Amino acid sequence: NAGVTQTPKFQVLKTGQSMTLQCAQDMNHEYMSWYRQDPGMGLRLIHYSVGAGITDQGEVPNGYNVSRSTTEDFPLRLLSAAPSQTSVYFCASSYRPGQPGTNTEAFFGQGTRLTVV
Amino acid sequence: AQKITQTQPGMFVQEKEAVTLDCTYDTSDQSYGLFWYKQPSSGEMIFLIYQGSYDEQNATEGRYSLNFQKARKSANLVISASQLGDSAMYFCAMREVYNFNKFYFGSGTKLNVKP
Repeated sequence: NAGVTQTPKFQVLKTGQSMTLQCAQDMNHEYMSWYRQDPGMGLRLIHYSVGAGITDQGEVPNGYNVSRSTTEDFPLRLLSAAPSQTSVYFCASSYRPGQPGTNTEAFFGQGTRLTVV
Repeated sequence: AQKITQTQPGMFVQEKEAVTLDCTYDTSDQSYGLFWYKQPSSGEMIFLIYQGSYDEQNATEGRYSLNFQKARKSANLVISASQLGDSAMYFCAMREVYNFNKFYFGSGTKLNVKP
């Protein structure tokens, strides 16, 4: 049972480079989201999706793009990396509240530690 | 406005004693969920406990209990009989059901358990 899988675990980028952080879940969760974790600031929501084909912005969306073509995958794209995007990134998924027989907590991936130099 | 406030950046507790981690939240929704997560130094996020806004009883999960005071909008985590392995960051989170199910997290409390 893989749960939420994030790749890569570590990444160093140069300013201006682009890359995609991958996130996949095998629990058939409708809801997926991306967070960044910075010291003293908890987890801040970047983008989220309530189902395939549906995405929306969170608190800190600038500099990031997402798409959701399948239920399982929710990649996060950095278009032109900046040092301010140095952070730990978490992907999470959960059931939609109200689905019978399910819990509503978010399941997290292991995180991606990204450094932009 | 901050949705989740954790006012204790760091706390110490003696092993085997109980400790309360504070959390207050802000929402105008009637239907929401409150969560606590533990993040050890290894970095993963571990779900601890959940409280629904309509639940009348405080949630309990083993040594964890959630002291839910709806009128005060507080959802404090109580850890009984602290263990050395409880040393970690603890995050309070809220999910607003009618706000596209977004999760909001607090800034966390670093708990250190002393032997």
